[in-house]
Amino acid sequence: IQMTQSPSSLSASVGDRVTITCRASQSISTSLNWYQQKPGKAPKLLVYAASTLPSGVPSRFSSSGSGTDFTLTISSLQPEDFATYYCQQTYNAPWTFGQGTKVEIK
Amino acid sequence: EVQLVESGGGLVQPGGSLRLSCEASGFIFSTYSMTWARQAPGKGLEWLSHISGSGSTIYYADSVKGRFTISRDNAKNSLYLQMNSLRAEDTAVYYCARVVTMNYYFDYWGQGTLVTVSS
Repeated sequence: IQMTQSPSSLSASVGDRVTITCRASQSISTSLNWYQQKPGKAPKLLVYAASTLPSGVPSRFSSSGSGTDFTLTISSLQPEDFATYYCQQTYNAPWTFGQGTKVEIK
Repeated sequence: EVQLVESGGGLVQPGGSLRLSCEASGFIFSTYSMTWARQAPGKGLEWLSHISGSGSTIYYADSVKGRFTISRDNAKNSLYLQMNSLRAEDTAVYYCARVVTMNYYFDYWGQGTLVTVSS
């Protein structure tokens, strides 16, 4: 299953609303996870099962979607949110990641 | 506190072998599936392999099937990745991660270990 994220990168300012999309090449129900990765660090789980935030993830992050189309939204971008975001499908092995979306400071 | 610590990375020649280890602590290791993923320099994440808590269920990505072998020793709280026939394109930071099988997601990751395949 191919996962395609858009955009590949974006520039935004603190306080902006940011939306990242992820499209699967076939239906994956809600078997979609999002991870945040900062330079030189391991990825961090941000969302699982398409819309559930793990404990400790700020509520400015939200995610939705099912089937083939998913979105990750940051309602008000904070300085610590500048990072690369990856979607991942775990509907069928091999579990695949999107190519990533780099969120940069404008 | 959940901790995952990878080790075993380094420089290896093409065609060579390397064994990565991931030592787990802070949770009951045998009750969790575990996984390996990697990230080539400047590139995205690539999932490699999964092993169930008992070791009875194993999956591999096509890119490493037949060359890499995942295993675990629950008595030692350790996960392993035996990598054979290494190629330049296997150069990457290798991460282990814990898998929550309720919805299949990776909730804790190690800090990674760098493998460089070069002559």
